[in-house]
Amino acid sequence: EIVMTQSPATLSVSPGERATLSCRASQSVGSNLAWYQQKPGQAPRLLIYGASSRATGILARFSGSGSGTEFTLTISSLQSEDFAVYYCQQYHNWPRTFGQGTKVEIK
Amino acid sequence: EVQLVESGEDLVQPGGSLKLSCAASGFTFSNYNIQWVRQAPGKGPECVSYISGSGDYILYADSVNGRFTVSRDNSKNTLYLQMGSLRAEDTAVYYCARVSGGGYLDYWGQGTQVTVSS
Repeated sequence: EIVMTQSPATLSVSPGERATLSCRASQSVGSNLAWYQQKPGQAPRLLIYGASSRATGILARFSGSGSGTEFTLTISSLQSEDFAVYYCQQYHNWPRTFGQGTKVEIK
Repeated sequence: EVQLVESGEDLVQPGGSLKLSCAASGFTFSNYNIQWVRQAPGKGPECVSYISGSGDYILYADSVNGRFTVSRDNSKNTLYLQMGSLRAEDTAVYYCARVSGGGYLDYWGQGTQVTVSS
C-alpha cells in the first residue's frame, strides 16, 4: 500500500496570503495524484487531478505541481471560502490512498 | 447535473449487517466505474471498494475484504454495498464516488452515516 504523508497538519494563514501544502508518496505514483477540498459536513470536492490540472470550475488561484513522490498544492491568495481541510490522493495503485489532510485555518 | 445520493444510514450492533445504496443520475451510469469511500471521524478518507461499469471487475480494501460486497444494478442506476460482520472501526460516513476516465474521483455523494455500537 502506498502511504501518503501530508505536511503540515495545520497551516495558519491570513486572508490574501499564499498557502503551500505538501504531499509525499512512499513510492512513485507518477502524475496520478489528486487534491480534494473538504469543508465541515460536506463531501470532499475535487480540485486538482493529474498532479497539476484544475478540475472543472476550480479557480486559477489553486495550482498543483510535482510528480513521482513529491507534490505541492498552492493557493495563491487565500479567500475566506478556502479555509478547509485539503487531502491528496494517489490513484496509481489499488488501494487508492489518501493523506491524513492539512487543515488550513485563519491566522 | 451529475448526482449521487447515498442511503441506508443506521446504528448497528457489532457483528450485524447493513446494506447501503447509491442512486446515480445525470450521466450514463453503466459507463463509469464507482468507488465506495468511507471517512471515520477526524480521519482522512479510505477507499473500501471499486466496481467497474459492467460490474465484472471488483476490488476491496484489505480492511473489508470478505465482509463487504459491492454490486450494481445498471437498469436502476444504483450501486450497493452489503456490509457484514460489522465492527466498531467500520463506523464512518460512507460516500459513493464516480471514477473519472483518468482514475480520480470527480463526483461524490453527500454521504450516509454508519454507526456500529452496542
